Amino acid sequence: KAGVTQTPRYLIKTRGQQVTLSCSPISGHRSVSWYQQTPGQGLQFLFEYFSETQRNKGNFPGRFSGRQFSNSRSEMNVSTLELGDSALYLCASSLTPTSGTYNEQFFGPGTRLTVL
Amino acid sequence: AQSVAQPEDQVNVAEGNPLTVKCTYSVSGNPYLFWYVQYPNRGLQFLLKYITGDNLVKGSYGFEAEFNKSQTSFHLKKPSALVSDSALYFCAVSGSNAGGTSYGKLTFGQGTILTVHP
Repeated sequence: KAGVTQTPRYLIKTRGQQVTLSCSPISGHRSVSWYQQTPGQGLQFLFEYFSETQRNKGNFPGRFSGRQFSNSRSEMNVSTLELGDSALYLCASSLTPTSGTYNEQFFGPGTRLTVL
Repeated sequence: AQSVAQPEDQVNVAEGNPLTVKCTYSVSGNPYLFWYVQYPNRGLQFLLKYITGDNLVKGSYGFEAEFNKSQTSFHLKKPSALVSDSALYFCAVSGSNAGGTSYGKLTFGQGTILTVHP
């Protein structure tokens, strides 16, 4: 079974631009989460989508947004890029959680975003 | 709020020796605990998880972890380290809500760099 895929793998943008990152989950996984990884802040949760609905959101400004499509693929968008947005953006997918348990998340290789 | 602490930024061990990477957590409700490993320029790879049941959890590549509720710890262990185990290790936690499920949010520790010397 193919793993989580993310495109593009590398991206260079300038301040003020916007960017869209894409994530395709493992087949059958309906939950998709996004994380930002930086040397200073570590791994931080951005948001999680399930059945095209955002169920959970981290502490990021409104410039960070996302969506999920009916085939569970997800995109995240960052508008008005700032230098501090340079990071590795990781997408993870998991099976639908059932009551009393929690399914592990499987991560993609990430998109390395550099803002100049 | 949930949090994870990995008190050691770096752990150095000799190949063949046992290794331990420490993790403590804070969460309301029942904790769901995970260990991930990250190699350079790669995403995170799942190693093991604790949801419920036995306090000693076995995972991939010979790793295991011990859940200690009274000490709120979830230390990662391996009886005999390999040079190829050298990587960045993350502990993560997710708490359950009143309904017993959580919504895709993992809170990670800052990570521990494990170096295994030949």
